[in-house]
Amino acid sequence: NAGVMQNPRHLVRRRGQEARLRCSPMKGHSHVYWYRQLPEEGLKFMVYLQKENIIDESGMPKERFSAEFPKEGPSILRIQQVVRGDSAAYFCASSPYGDTQYFGPGTRLTVL
Amino acid sequence: ELKVEQNPLFLSMQEGKNYTIYCNYSTTSDRLYWYRQDPGKSLESLFVLLSNGAVKQEGRLMASLDTKARLSTLHITAAVHDLSATYFCAAGGGGADGLTFGKGTHLIIQP
Repeated sequence: NAGVMQNPRHLVRRRGQEARLRCSPMKGHSHVYWYRQLPEEGLKFMVYLQKENIIDESGMPKERFSAEFPKEGPSILRIQQVVRGDSAAYFCASSPYGDTQYFGPGTRLTVL
Repeated sequence: ELKVEQNPLFLSMQEGKNYTIYCNYSTTSDRLYWYRQDPGKSLESLFVLLSNGAVKQEGRLMASLDTKARLSTLHITAAVHDLSATYFCAAGGGGADGLTFGKGTHLIIQP
């Protein structure tokens, strides 16, 4: 059973560009979470999704950030018009309901 | 709002010694997790603690949970260099909620 997969692993964008981060959950997991980790800090919850539904987006910035988990394909975290403060590691986790969350390898976003 | 605090944030210790990392959380939480992260890597799940008095052990690591005190501990016994990493505790509100993480304890174990 493959683990949680994320791509790309590293992403470099210039200010004002768009960043798209992808996450494929573990087989059989229908719950996906996105977290952001700033250097030397813990992870901050951003959004929780199930297939085609956003369940909790209380940690998501109100502007420029969006997430989806379509019926087919990976979950996508989209950041429009990136700024330097968006530079961070973005982790996706998946779980079967109410169980341990398993984390992917992360996407390290650098905004120049 | 659930808040999670870990201490210490940095810990340097010698091989063979014992030490404890503490994790306090501010409101009722159904479950408490411990994760390990190596530099530049993802998070590895270590323990899930679900009830008051729960104790779990894996090798040189032992985790416990006191829900009344809202405190979890991660105890390291006879530390070895391979345990050098950053350790995070995280609490959840139950069900499938997103987790709230502490800032992590950066552990260095010196030969």
